[in-house]
Amino acid sequence: SYELTQPPSVSVSPGQTARITCSGDALPKKYVYWYQQKSGQAPVMVIFDDRKRPSGIPERFSGSSLGRTATLTISGAQVEDEADYYCYSTDSSGNQWVFGGGTKLTVL
Amino acid sequence: QVQLQESGPGLVKPSETLSLTCIVSDGSINGFYWSWIRQPAGKGLQWIGHISASGTTNYNPSLSSRVTMSIDTTKNQFALNVTSVTAAETAVYFCARENNWALDYWGQGTLVTVSS
Repeated sequence: SYELTQPPSVSVSPGQTARITCSGDALPKKYVYWYQQKSGQAPVMVIFDDRKRPSGIPERFSGSSLGRTATLTISGAQVEDEADYYCYSTDSSGNQWVFGGGTKLTVL
Repeated sequence: QVQLQESGPGLVKPSETLSLTCIVSDGSINGFYWSWIRQPAGKGLQWIGHISASGTTNYNPSLSSRVTMSIDTTKNQFALNVTSVTAAETAVYFCARENNWALDYWGQGTLVTVSS
């Protein structure tokens, strides 16, 4: 079955840049979506179509994708950005969707 | 804006069928795909599958033999059935709207416990 691989954790100090990666074999041809999930809440989409930001998402959130790896970048991370982040994409057939294992971002 | 609300039993016995409904309000169910996702406590998100407004489905291959999704456009709702559940399927179950493959609106989630 198809898998997306993320680092389990990333830690930065406030104001620093946080980068969270997501790797998968189909990513060169498939979009990646990124979701932020705070404790006890439903996930919220922060990036779609690799690099687009939904309305209401701060500009410090950005996305990129090159080859098999997509990256979520939080420039000038804030304490309120502490959360679990998940990438989401599909396999080469477009029929099986999968989440990455999630990355816990700590900002302190 | 679109709102989604999951509903269903919070407790299901092992080997029985888990049944949930997601009601869509303040928006049409037509023209979109609708997804189910679950999350065991302390673990990551798992895509269960999705259904289009016309009834086309795709399921997670690891669950496909036990999962059925249906949709009722007249009631603006869709449903999930998972048969022969085990304790490992205790999780928060979310429903979500797919808009050009992006899961843009989510329900708040409902906890389903599988226990005798």
